[in-house]
Amino acid sequence: RKEVEQDPGPFNVPEGATVAFNCTYSNSASQSFFWYRQDCRKEPKLLMSVYSSGNEDGRFTAQLNRASQYISLLIRDSKLSDSATYLCVVNMRLDDYKLSFGAGTTVTVRA
Amino acid sequence: GAGVSQSPSNKVTEKGKDVELRCDPISGHTALYWYRQRLGQGLEFLIYFQGNSAPDKSGLPSDRFSAERTGESVSTLTIQRTQQEDSAVYLCASSLGLGNTEAFFGQGTRLTVV
Repeated sequence: RKEVEQDPGPFNVPEGATVAFNCTYSNSASQSFFWYRQDCRKEPKLLMSVYSSGNEDGRFTAQLNRASQYISLLIRDSKLSDSATYLCVVNMRLDDYKLSFGAGTTVTVRA
Repeated sequence: GAGVSQSPSNKVTEKGKDVELRCDPISGHTALYWYRQRLGQGLEFLIYFQGNSAPDKSGLPSDRFSAERTGESVSTLTIQRTQQEDSAVYLCASSLGLGNTEAFFGQGTRLTVV
């Protein structure tokens, strides 16, 4: 089983729609979770951290489900500029804090 | 600079030549990662350094690949006898190496083997 797994998509949605996708992780003891965004031919950049109680940042909502070992990202009122690949990142090892990156979920927002 | 710096930004090399890629992490960051990303593909983990601990080399695809880092400073990724399949963007990231701290990426080195 991969450490971090994501549905690669692509998710094709119209502007204004809501899109949501999950990421599963293999280590039940993982403590740190992030969503990164990668635009075409650019480096990944932090979108938001994911907290135990769930958190929002504008149109983006992240949730953590420890029992089922997954995190989710929901994007409301999608904009064309939200088109990107979203990477799930999990701290898999507590002894050296190594972060593991998922392969990414591609979202395309169309006009 | 304030961010992760990688050099060169682009490298074209002939098949069979050796190449060396450089990464300058953010000052004070003890953790450093190297990733490979082929066109249209996800990140492929190569190697992880954390302080003075032995590096996690589990992602290196062959013995042609090696990486060095002295302390918490610059890292170099070396690819010997390059092959066309090595063509990719090589990304470096660094972090504080503590719980719940994110990693910051450099802009990458685009390697083309001809």
